[in-house]
Amino acid sequence: GQQVMQIPQYQHVQEGEDFTTYCNSSTTLSNIQWYKQRPGGHPVFLIQLVKSGEVKKQKRLTFQFGEAKKNSSLHITATQTTDVGTYFCAGRRNTDKLIFGTGTRLQVFP
Amino acid sequence: NAGVTQTPKFQVLKTGQSMTLQCAQDMNHEYMSWYRQDPGMGLRLIHYSVGAGITDQGEVPNGYNVSRSTTEDFPLRLLSAAPSQTSVYFCASSYFAGGYEQYFGPGTRLTVT
Repeated sequence: GQQVMQIPQYQHVQEGEDFTTYCNSSTTLSNIQWYKQRPGGHPVFLIQLVKSGEVKKQKRLTFQFGEAKKNSSLHITATQTTDVGTYFCAGRRNTDKLIFGTGTRLQVFP
Repeated sequence: NAGVTQTPKFQVLKTGQSMTLQCAQDMNHEYMSWYRQDPGMGLRLIHYSVGAGITDQGEVPNGYNVSRSTTEDFPLRLLSAAPSQTSVYFCASSYFAGGYEQYFGPGTRLTVT
């Protein structure tokens, strides 16, 4: 079964509110990637985290990799309607397989 | 560069029929993979390849075959289509297997009746 879980599955926010999605793995990951998929589109790479405790920022987006390298989070500050889509984490466990999480669908109301 | 291309965009099959979903990339990527996307299930890895002539199974390989005779192409074959294979299929590629950005194709929406 799916070994990389994401919560929540859905999130509806008012424009300007913050949003966070959490990614949890049952085993240690060698690295984690985040992707965004717009409605009707394909996943697009956002960022990769490799080090334990790593934090990276992209404008209003903040990505964090847990100390144990088993969990990660994506936080969006002051959401905009352009943030609408599904956010996926994807991780590797020292193998060639990249396993995706279940995704969090974000809806932003103006 | 065209990036990752997939054909067809849409396909309807009857139960028991076979078909091949095509995937090609022109970025000289060694790593290619196939995912299926179903509501609430995220993207599940079907098969992947770390280079020409090398393929391996992902999370949900049953009912699907792949081959990688060239670096550019990675077709996915459905041997005997079943309604459970109704899904959106994405092909992806990256330079190498570990820690590289995946580039996705536009997807193939498959319906099996």
